[in-house]
Amino acid sequence: GNSVTQMEGPVTLSEEAFLTINCTYTATGYPSLFWYVQYPGEGLQLLLKATKADDKGSNKGFEATYRKETTSFHLEKGSVQVSDSAVYFCAGSYSGGGADGLTFGKGTHLIIQP
Amino acid sequence: KAGVTQTPRYLIKTRGQQVTLSCSPISGHRSVSWYQQTPGQGLQFLFEYFSETQRNKGNFPGRFSGRQFSNSRSEMNVSTLELGDSALYLCATGLATSTGELFFGEGSRLTVL
Repeated sequence: GNSVTQMEGPVTLSEEAFLTINCTYTATGYPSLFWYVQYPGEGLQLLLKATKADDKGSNKGFEATYRKETTSFHLEKGSVQVSDSAVYFCAGSYSGGGADGLTFGKGTHLIIQP
Repeated sequence: KAGVTQTPRYLIKTRGQQVTLSCSPISGHRSVSWYQQTPGQGLQFLFEYFSETQRNKGNFPGRFSGRQFSNSRSEMNVSTLELGDSALYLCATGLATSTGELFFGEGSRLTVL
């Protein structure tokens, strides 16, 4: 079946460090890809998305590029802040988001130390 | 505008009981999806409703059911609770699922003793 795999944490970085969280997806069709973020005690929020190959999603300094050749959608940020500490989920929408809903990765807990 | 509202936020049940969780979507959102979040399995899709009809269903037993009302509010029910049903149940709403732009509530945390 469809799956999304992301690096599992926790990932601990110092403030202003460069961040990469890896995410790969199974290439069944051409899913739309998303990064969601979950801050402590809150629900998930859409961080960014890309709907086709070579699209780049960006928001709040975060970026991710839909790479068809490597079936990847890695999340990057040039300089992280303490406020970026959260759990990040990579997700794919197969079949137009219909048949299986969103398929999520297991989540990566990011901890930013001052 | 108001976000996705889930009630109750926390509840404790014992094995064999049943539970009903409620989700009020953002105004204008007609799609409501439910997800189960556990430390071991992560986020798993339960089902999705659109215009009072269940459109899609994940791989969960029949003890998990749901419905949607004409005002788009949705409920999910779990009967004959098991210890393994302890989880955070998240509701997500949207205008249409095809874009995947879902708005999540804060969840209902169920503990089964």
